[in-house]
Amino acid sequence: GDSVTQMEGPVTLSEEAFLTINCTYTATGYPSLFWYVQYPGEGLQLLLKATKADDKGSNKGFEATYRKETTSFHLEKGSVQVSDSAVYFCALSDQEGGSEKLVFGKGTKLTVNP
Amino acid sequence: NAGVTQTPKFQVLKTGQSMTLQCAQDMNHNSMYWYRQDPGMGLRLIYYSASEGTTDKGEVPNGYNVSRLNKREFSLRLESAAPSQTSVYFCASSARAPRGQPQHFGDGTRLSIL
Repeated sequence: GDSVTQMEGPVTLSEEAFLTINCTYTATGYPSLFWYVQYPGEGLQLLLKATKADDKGSNKGFEATYRKETTSFHLEKGSVQVSDSAVYFCALSDQEGGSEKLVFGKGTKLTVNP
Repeated sequence: NAGVTQTPKFQVLKTGQSMTLQCAQDMNHNSMYWYRQDPGMGLRLIYYSASEGTTDKGEVPNGYNVSRLNKREFSLRLESAAPSQTSVYFCASSARAPRGQPQHFGDGTRLSIL
């Protein structure tokens, strides 16, 4: 079946450092790819998405590019802030019967220190 | 802007007790989902409903039942709770089209079974 593998962490960075969280996937079809973020005590929020090869999703300074040849969707940010501390989840969806069922990676906890 | 509302937010049960987790969305979405989140496991799909009147099993359905009461509401029932069902439960909803629709999550129900 479909699966997502992401860097498990935890990752600890200083403010203004560069962030990369690796994510690779296995899928039988042609999935859409997502990054979700979870702040403490909250549900998941969509951070960015891409639906076809070479698409770049971006939001709040975060970026990820859908790479079909390497089956990857790595998350990057040029300069992290303390407020970026959260758990980040890579996910894919393969539309089946009209539903976009998500398959998640295990999550990467990011802590940014001042 | 309520989005996805889950009740209760916290619950403690004894082994063998039953309970129903409630979920409602106000975004007129066709599809709804129930996930559980366990440490180091990411989120795993329990059941989903592609549209009103239909439900299907996800990755970990054993020990659970669901009801799609109407387009807005999707409930999850534990008939005889077990300690292995201690988890954080998230409800989500999404539109059906076009492809790549993101899911919108509630804030979760934290369930402990003693």
